Amino acid sequence: DTGVSQNPRHKITKRGQNVTFRCDPISEHNRLYWYRQTLGQGPEFLTYFQNEAQLEKSRLLSDRFSAERPKGSFSTLEIQRTEQGDSAMYLCASSLAREYYEQYFGPGTRLTVT
Amino acid sequence: SQQGEEDPQALSIQEGENATMNCSYKTSINNLQWYRQNSGRGLVHLILIRSNEREKHSGRLRVTLDTSKKSSSLLITASRAADTASYFCATGGGSEKLVFGKGTKLTVNP
Repeated sequence: DTGVSQNPRHKITKRGQNVTFRCDPISEHNRLYWYRQTLGQGPEFLTYFQNEAQLEKSRLLSDRFSAERPKGSFSTLEIQRTEQGDSAMYLCASSLAREYYEQYFGPGTRLTVT
Repeated sequence: SQQGEEDPQALSIQEGENATMNCSYKTSINNLQWYRQNSGRGLVHLILIRSNEREKHSGRLRVTLDTSKKSSSLLITASRAADTASYFCATGGGSEKLVFGKGTKLTVNP
């Protein structure tokens, strides 16, 4: 399977703990995106990378959130000092860098903060 | 914040009927895309329509775009039970990110 993969698929953590998620994009895609989706809502943009450069961050991405894409391949999203409001599905997507592009989404990581 | 607003929020139809979902957005766009999300799964891209296009077809899907009204519609013809899912419109503007609406939950009854 050469789609976007995300690990872990589910994460339960206690408030105050740090968590890290990983996303492996489609290999030839140089753009990688992170979105967050809560129940009954559409995905909300968090940040995106072109190769290893982080080019845009949403205001949703507080200083407790950090994302990296060190070699322009896989990416990690870390949430420090988790809060109950961080409970959501975290979606990763990738695409080619061209004017009109569709994004290919991974299955997501469901985070539950207790 | 979300730009798109899908209408209706939920739609229930019988197999074989057509389903129409609408999307309205607020700012100027470069393109508009429709995605499908099955329960508990990731989003799947369905169709992309550019801002200078008015209509596009893909299999049983027909998308229209009216930039003067800032609205789009997705028509699924001859629906099947497997079409049961949530459908989201997403707009692409000057930035590379997509801005999604809240979605329409479609149920196709066998």
